[in-house]
This record gives sequence, structure tokens and C-alpha cells, in this order.
Amino acid sequence: QKEVEQDPGPLSVPEGAIVSLNCTYSNSAFQYFMWYRQYSRKGPELLMYTYSSGNKEDGRFTAQVDKSSKYISLFIRDSQPSDSATYLCAMSATRSNNNDMRFGAGTRLTVKP
Amino acid sequence: DVKVTQSSRYLVKRTGEKVFLECVQDMDHENMFWYRQDPGLGLRLIYFSYDVKMKEKGDIPEGYSVSREKKERFSLILESASTNQTSMYLCASSLTGARKAFFGQGTRLTVV
Repeated sequence: QKEVEQDPGPLSVPEGAIVSLNCTYSNSAFQYFMWYRQYSRKGPELLMYTYSSGNKEDGRFTAQVDKSSKYISLFIRDSQPSDSATYLCAMSATRSNNNDMRFGAGTRLTVKP
Repeated sequence: DVKVTQSSRYLVKRTGEKVFLECVQDMDHENMFWYRQDPGLGLRLIYFSYDVKMKEKGDIPEGYSVSREKKERFSLILESASTNQTSMYLCASSLTGARKAFFGQGTRLTVV
């Protein structure tokens, strides 16, 4: 079993839809939860970062962490064609130098005008 | 604007060749990483360095080595390239204590 599971999609939605992206994980030591966005032919960029459980909102994006269920989500409201990208969840435990970070496989999202 | 720069976007190499992938960061970060990205598998850590001349194996180090002679530069070496090393290679850097990693644009390596 992989430490981090993420449905690779692809996911296609119309412009303006609410998008839900999810990851599950098995390592209860994970405390830091990240979402990276990767445009085609580019490297990933950090989109959202959450520590422990709870919600975090940034504009149209909301990250949720449920540690009891080992489940994290990223919601995108009023999705735009510019949101079309691959979204990677990532998580790490305690190491301050990030060498324990584990990534999901990435979900490919297309938002159609 | 902070930057992680990988020397090549695309590379085609022959089986058995020694391959060098170079990465430079301009942010004075202590930590540098090499990942490979494959469909359905996500990013997997090959090697990690937390200081000049210091390195640690990641999850899939077999067939690879690294070099970090200067703080800003981290090189990945494929000692004898094989077809199963055809992949997207991503370099990243981060500050100790910060959770944000900065990635380069990736090198798509094809071994024929």
C-alpha cells in the first residue's frame, strides 16, 4: 500500500464548477499537508499548506485536513480554465529539512470554458 | 524572483552512457532534492542533500549518485543509463524549517 493515495483522474469540469480533489494516507505521523499545482511542462508550485487538522482558505481555494480519517481535500470554487493543471498532494512528518515529504500521484484537472 | 534552474529541458541518451543532470538554485537554501516523476507513481525522492558535500539516499537511489560541491549546485549522475531510467527528473530546494519546496522546470530524459 502506498503511503499517499490520490486518484489520478483525469477530471474534467465546466467553468464555474466546484472542484474537489482528495488524498488519503496511511502514515499517522504526517502533520504537514501541502497541495502543489503543476502546469504542463513546468515544475510543481506550492499552492496551499496546512499544519495538522482543520481548514485553510485562500481566495477560491480551500484545503481541509481530517487527521482522524487520514483524508485531505482541496476545493476550488468558481473554477477557471487557468486552473487546468495537475494537482499533487504532499505531506511530511517532523523532519525540518523536508526529506520525509511524500507525494500523491497527482490528479489531472481540465476546466472547460 | 526565486529560481531553481535545471540545465536541460529534454535529453536523449543511449543505454550505458553516463548522464549528468545539473541543478542550480539562487535562494541560498540548505536543502536540495532530486525526484523522478512517473505517471501513476507521483514524485519519488532519489537523493537529498542538506549541506555542501552531504547527501542522503532517498527512496529509489539505485543506479544514481549525486554531487554537491557548492551550496547552490546539486548534480544527479546516472552512472550507466538504462531504459527504465526514462522519466521526468525534478530538482527542488528548501530552507530548513520551511515546508515550501521550490522546484525546477524538470528535465525529461529518454534513454534509448
